[in-house]
Amino acid sequence: KAGVTQTPRYLIKTRGQQVTLSCSPISGHRSVSWYQQTPGQGLQFLFEYFSETQRNKGNFPGRFSGRQFSNSRSEMNVSTLELGDSALYLCASSQGPYNEQFFGPGTRLTVL
Amino acid sequence: QKEVEQNSGPLSVPEGAIASLNCTYSDRGSQSFFWYRQYSGKSPELIMFIYSNGDKEDGRFTAQLNKASQYVSLLIRDSQPSDSATYLCAVTFSGSARQLTFGSGTQLTVLP
Repeated sequence: KAGVTQTPRYLIKTRGQQVTLSCSPISGHRSVSWYQQTPGQGLQFLFEYFSETQRNKGNFPGRFSGRQFSNSRSEMNVSTLELGDSALYLCASSQGPYNEQFFGPGTRLTVL
Repeated sequence: QKEVEQNSGPLSVPEGAIASLNCTYSDRGSQSFFWYRQYSGKSPELIMFIYSNGDKEDGRFTAQLNKASQYVSLLIRDSQPSDSATYLCAVTFSGSARQLTFGSGTQLTVLP
């Protein structure tokens, strides 16, 4: 079975721009969660989607948003980028919202 | 504040030894516990999960859970240089069972 895929793998943006990241879960997995990883804050939960609905949200500003499509693929969007948004953004999929989560390779975002 | 604490290390063990990694968590009602391995520049890889008190073994890995002490550990037997990585403990807290809360990770080095 193919693993979780994320595109793009690397992104460089400037402050004030917006960015959209994409995640395709493992086939048959219906829950997708997004995490941000930085050296200072570690791995932090952003939000989780199941059946095209956001079910849970972490403590991030409204500039961070996401959505899930009927095929379980998910996108996250960050608007008005700040330097502090530079991070590795990780998508994780699971069969259901309470099952084990498997991570994709991540998208490394650099904001200049 | 619901927290997951890990000794950041670094922890060094000789090849063939047992590596012991520890994690404590703040919420007595926590239900699910996970260990992820993350190589430098890569995404986290799920290596063990445990839901009940006691030990769970998978190959060279053993996860140990003690809910009364709010403590979960990972033992790696016959450590190999390829086990050198950062090990992340993750917990789902009561009331937030859909999201993983991560510790800061323990960096393990296995010396040849």
